[in-house]
Amino acid sequence: GAGVSQSPRYKVAKRGQDVALRCDPISGHVSLFWYQQALGQGPEFLTYFQNEAQLDKSGLPSDRFFAERPEGSVSTLKIQRTQQEDSAVYLCASSLTYGASEQYFGPGTRLTVT
Amino acid sequence: QKEVEQDPGPLSVPEGAIVSLNCTYSNSAFQYFMWYRQYSRKGPELLMYTYSSGNKEDGRFTAQVDKSSKYISLFIRDSQPSDSATYLCAMSAQGGSEKLVFGKGTKLTVNP
Repeated sequence: GAGVSQSPRYKVAKRGQDVALRCDPISGHVSLFWYQQALGQGPEFLTYFQNEAQLDKSGLPSDRFFAERPEGSVSTLKIQRTQQEDSAVYLCASSLTYGASEQYFGPGTRLTVT
Repeated sequence: QKEVEQDPGPLSVPEGAIVSLNCTYSNSAFQYFMWYRQYSRKGPELLMYTYSSGNKEDGRFTAQVDKSSKYISLFIRDSQPSDSATYLCAMSAQGGSEKLVFGKGTKLTVNP
C-alpha cells in the first residue's frame, strides 16, 4: 500500500511568513510523529500524536510551532513568523499501534527561510 | 554529551567489503534499537529493528546490540554501490509510542 506522504516537498518562505506542512500517514496507523532534520544531523523529535490526541510536544522549539491532527489521520505542522533557523527538513513518521516500534517515514518537506 | 553518539564518517569502501557501523548511547532505559538508511533527499528507510540485546540477521545485514556496553552495530556483507547512503541508528525506551532518539548518521560510499 501507499507509504507516508508529505506536501509540499519543498517550501521557500520569507522570514516572518507562516507556513503549513502536511502529512498523510499510512492508512490505519494510530501513531504519528514529526521530526526536524538539520543539514548533516540526525532527525530530532518535535511532537507525537496517538489518534487525534497530542501526547508529547516536548520537542517543539518554540511557541511559533504548532501541530494538529484533528480527525486522527492527516496532520499539519504550522510554523508562524518563520526564522532562518527554522530552515530544515521536516519529517513525518507513522506507526501501526502504540505498541509497535517500527516507525515509517515520509520523504520530508525541505523548508528554506530566506 | 548527546544521548546517542555516532561517528559521522565519511566512510569509503570498495565494492564487496564488509562494512561495520556503530553507535554508543548513555540512556540505559533504551530497549528498542533501529537502523535506518537515508538516501540523499529522501526520508529514512527502516532497515533493521531489534529489541533488547542480541543479534538479528536479514540478508546481507546483521544488527548487534550489547546493552551491557551500551553499544550497537550494523554489519553489511558484500557491500554494493547501491548501499551508498547515510546510515542512522535510532533507539527508544517504549517502542512505537515514544520518540526515537537518533545518532548523527554515518555517510557510506561503496566504490565499484
